[in-house]
Amino acid sequence: GQQLNQSPQSMFIQEGEDVSMNCTSSSIFNTWLWYKQEPGEGPVLLIALYKAGELTSNGRLTAQFGITRKDSFLNISASIPSDVGIYFCAGQGRGSTLGRLYFGRGTQLTVWP
Amino acid sequence: GAGVSQSPSNKVTEKGKDVELRCDPISGHTALYWYRQSLGQGLEFLIYFQGNSAPDKSGLPSDRFSAERTGGSVSTLTIQRTQQEDSAVYLCASSLESGTRFYGYTFGSGTRLTVV
Repeated sequence: GQQLNQSPQSMFIQEGEDVSMNCTSSSIFNTWLWYKQEPGEGPVLLIALYKAGELTSNGRLTAQFGITRKDSFLNISASIPSDVGIYFCAGQGRGSTLGRLYFGRGTQLTVWP
Repeated sequence: GAGVSQSPSNKVTEKGKDVELRCDPISGHTALYWYRQSLGQGLEFLIYFQGNSAPDKSGLPSDRFSAERTGGSVSTLTIQRTQQEDSAVYLCASSLESGTRFYGYTFGSGTRLTVV
């Protein structure tokens, strides 16, 4: 299957700091998505990216779809305690079953007040 | 309903017993997915239903796992003769798929399965 490498695996930061995480793939993707999962809940969609080079913001979150179509990053500016959770990248591959997503292993974010 | 509903939210079962996990997708969503999330791991694809098409079962880890979707809505994931390695959170998701754009999934809160 298509592999996604997500890094870092975990981050421990102070409130107010900026955060950056990224995802790379061995295959080209048509769509990149970023999800956040809080304890006891399913992942929630944060940002969806549809075109190579696309840069999209959602509040303090910014994500980009890499030019090569094989990578994406997510930035969080001025982190706050409620940003705590696991962030997953996901990609929809070319030629794959429509709608099926491949997920990274996640980045566990901890924010100290 | 307003969201994807999964039941039960927690299930503890003895090794060797069968379990059934239920998923109610968002009304009108044509696609339904099951994923498994083990501790500290990413999301492992299990099975995908889309409309009346044959399901994509390529992610099911063994023939002890099966799933059905009745009437294009509710889905049940069945695990027979459960093993301890089946312990995980089982997540269901649904999506509204069109030919032009993929809008991502909406996930349920999951069923935490513990096999003792």
